Amino acid sequence: DSGVTQTPKHLITATGQRVTLRCSPRSGDLSVYWYQQSLDQGLQFLIHYYNGEERAKGNILERFSAQQFPDLHSELNLSSLELGDSALYFCASSILAGATNTGELFFGEGSRLTVL
Amino acid sequence: GENVEQHPSTLSVQEGDSAVIKCTYSDSASNYFPWYKQELGKRPQLIIDIRSNVGEKKDQRIAVTLNKTAKHFSLHITETQPEDSAVYFCAASRRNKLVFGAGTILRVKS
Repeated sequence: DSGVTQTPKHLITATGQRVTLRCSPRSGDLSVYWYQQSLDQGLQFLIHYYNGEERAKGNILERFSAQQFPDLHSELNLSSLELGDSALYFCASSILAGATNTGELFFGEGSRLTVL
Repeated sequence: GENVEQHPSTLSVQEGDSAVIKCTYSDSASNYFPWYKQELGKRPQLIIDIRSNVGEKKDQRIAVTLNKTAKHFSLHITETQPEDSAVYFCAASRRNKLVFGAGTILRVKS
């Protein structure tokens, strides 16, 4: 158990819909990263938050948005869903800020999104 | 932005043999290079990492080497065992981004 909690574990929805994925980082970790892993694909970096502030963006679509709340949990919002958005979405947390020093990322179990 | 290329995409070795996975990165300012192992249906987990001020690091059967001039780093696994079978990801970090390679499927045949 990494200490990172992601909900829901599985989600099936239809094209055009909107979903919210939730992540609770390890106790004490201020950084939250979101990654997308499609079938047979690697880990695509989406976005990084540190202590409530967005620190870096990767290949995140405009239909996707995220935020980190004062209690440090994070949510990834996916809207106008398309078939190609079906993937495993991982959240990872770290105690370090990442700006000058990146350390181990602790991954959650992931949220598997299926868009029909 | 940072781009990380990883080779090979699949690697099959006999139990007891060594396995080597190579990665190259594009951003010379990257300063942290971890390797993650992802078993089937599981989350990625860190197995070893190296920082830009170190050329080599070893942890039991696993070692990582870094060549900053050539901008490449490698994972070496010796005396491979069936439980080493998994997908291995390299990554490179600069500032607030940790970018992963596409992954290598390692199969250890017993």
